[in-house]
Amino acid sequence: DIVMTQSPDSLAVSLGERATVNCKSSQSVLDSSINKNFLAWYQQKPGQPPKLLFYWASTREFGVPDRFSGSGSGTDFTLTISSLQAEDVAVYYCQQYHKTPLTFGGGTKVEIK
Amino acid sequence: EVQLVQSGAEVKKPGESLRISCKASGYNFPNLWIGWVRQVPGKGLEWMGIIYPGDSDTKYSPSFQGHVTISADTSIDTVYLQWSSLKASDTAMYYCARHASYLTDYWGQGTLVTVSS
Repeated sequence: DIVMTQSPDSLAVSLGERATVNCKSSQSVLDSSINKNFLAWYQQKPGQPPKLLFYWASTREFGVPDRFSGSGSGTDFTLTISSLQAEDVAVYYCQQYHKTPLTFGGGTKVEIK
Repeated sequence: EVQLVQSGAEVKKPGESLRISCKASGYNFPNLWIGWVRQVPGKGLEWMGIIYPGDSDTKYSPSFQGHVTISADTSIDTVYLQWSSLKASDTAMYYCARHASYLTDYWGQGTLVTVSS
């Protein structure tokens, strides 16, 4: 199984400041034949199901604000919120969909400082 | 509009059986994978498995293989998650989720299963 490791477990950022979440996979999720990373990011707010933010590591889902960005390739990935807003308080998960069993990172809780 | 509507919360005793459901609409149900994700209260997301309704091909996480059964009924565009003998450790929120080429893109609202004596 591909193990996904997120860091940090939680972080507190002031409103308007940058928040960075890291995700590392135990093996590459890059399919070099199509040059696509099978890595997704989700946002989960309390009492709600997860919401897809990014797929192919950096393709923003429709409607996701452009203060959110996804980057990385191979085994190392980053989710960045360039200017944290109050509505961004949530837990963020990465997931690889390269091979079954699909696997999630442990989650990163983002709070306001 | 894609919608996944799950059945309501359940309270069961250890050893009982249970089947929860998820009705899909807004897309061609037989032709996309759909499956289940578990979330124990206060914990992270765990992928359980998926089914391709068109031919019933099923893939399970080793962590859940043998303990749950995923099935689908294409006549009513519904996917099921079933237990034959529940344990207290099965207490969790269960989400159904559509998988487009394995990408988990749409989620149901969740079904809370509580197993307690």
